Amino acid sequence: EDKVVQSPLSLVVHEGDTVTLNCSYEVTNFRSLLWYKQEKKAPTFLFMLTSSGIEKKSGRLSSILDKKELFSILNITATQTGDSAVYLCAVDNFNKFYFGSGTKLNVKP
Amino acid sequence: DAGVIQSPRHEVTEMGQEVTLRCKPISGHNSLFWYRQTMMRGLELLIYFNNNVPIDDSGMPEDRFSAKMPNASFSTLKIQPSEPRDSAVYFCASSRGLAGSGLETQYFGPGTRLLVL
Repeated sequence: EDKVVQSPLSLVVHEGDTVTLNCSYEVTNFRSLLWYKQEKKAPTFLFMLTSSGIEKKSGRLSSILDKKELFSILNITATQTGDSAVYLCAVDNFNKFYFGSGTKLNVKP
Repeated sequence: DAGVIQSPRHEVTEMGQEVTLRCKPISGHNSLFWYRQTMMRGLELLIYFNNNVPIDDSGMPEDRFSAKMPNASFSTLKIQPSEPRDSAVYFCASSRGLAGSGLETQYFGPGTRLLVL
């Protein structure tokens, strides 16, 4: 059964800390892995990863995919209170998107 | 640019009624996605279009759901007949391209909050 598992489920850090969010997956076929950030309203698309070992970066956020070990990490450096959100990971297996349950990040001042 | 526009923003209807959700993608974007989000099931991709053609509708829950994209600037998601378990927030997103194209960043609309009584 195809599935996506995110860890941790919840994380509390202080401003300035660096966090690493994990997403592991099992799918029969793999096209891409996607990261989203969701605050109170609509999700925001962060990254789409298709190739192993190539880091995608946007400001303080970066992500990398390991297709051999079937996981991805999302790093956030120098966290700010505005980074508080649920971070969702999804995998596209050519048939369907499988979403993880998300990691809830709370950044305290 | 106004971003992705969805209407209505909120809808309350009775079981059995037809519901039509509308989406206007960002101009120039040729891929459009419909998502549904609930507390129980989380975020789900229902269907997506590329160049107005449905590419993958495997996420559509059942025959009561249908989606169309008659032109590049408009899409609808219809539920007929609606049921209480369809209550959710429905998001529309658009992108300039699909996976691997380098243009795959999806921009989400504000969502339509649907309540079926």
